[in-house]
Amino acid sequence: QKEVEQDPGPLSVPEGAIVSLNCTYSNSAFQYFMWYRQYSRKGPELLMYTYSSGNKEDGRFTAQVDKSSKYISLFIRDSQPSDSATYLCAMSDGRGSTLGRLYFGRGTQLTVWP
Amino acid sequence: DAGVTQSPTHLIKTRGQHVTLRCSPISGHKSVSWYQQVLGQGPQFIFQYYEKEERGRGNFPDRFSARQFPNYSSELNVNALLLGDSALYLCASSLGTGGFQTQYFGPGTRLLVL
Repeated sequence: QKEVEQDPGPLSVPEGAIVSLNCTYSNSAFQYFMWYRQYSRKGPELLMYTYSSGNKEDGRFTAQVDKSSKYISLFIRDSQPSDSATYLCAMSDGRGSTLGRLYFGRGTQLTVWP
Repeated sequence: DAGVTQSPTHLIKTRGQHVTLRCSPISGHKSVSWYQQVLGQGPQFIFQYYEKEERGRGNFPDRFSARQFPNYSSELNVNALLLGDSALYLCASSLGTGGFQTQYFGPGTRLLVL
């Protein structure tokens, strides 16, 4: 079992739709949760960062973490064609020798069509 | 401000050859991490360096090595290249101090091994 599971999609939605992206994980030590956006042939760009459980909102983006279920989500409201990219979840336990190591999902490919 | 820079952008090598990839972190960042991203997968952690010391190592063979220089830039070296080493190699930088730090990625070096 991989430590981080993410449905690769692809996911295709019309402009203006609400998008829900999800990841599950198995390591209960994970405390730091991130979402990265990666455009084709580019490096990942940090979108959201959350510590422990709860919600965090930034403009059209909302990140949710449910540690009891080992489940994290990213919601995109009023989706735009420019949101078309691969979305990667990443997480870390932030401890000791693994302090700097991020564990990634395989990414969900999103297309928003006009 | 300049982000993380990597060179070269693309590279083609043949099996058995050696390759060196380079990374310059964001100004003020003292930690550099390397990740390998195979097509269709999320990034996999290779190494992290902080203040020229190796802080963490992922599950990669000894053919992979890295170092960090006094100016905090870093090199990733891969010996005896295999076809399976074809991937996007990503460098990420972080402040490196005070517990967990978010990581910011460069555009990557795309390596093709023939």
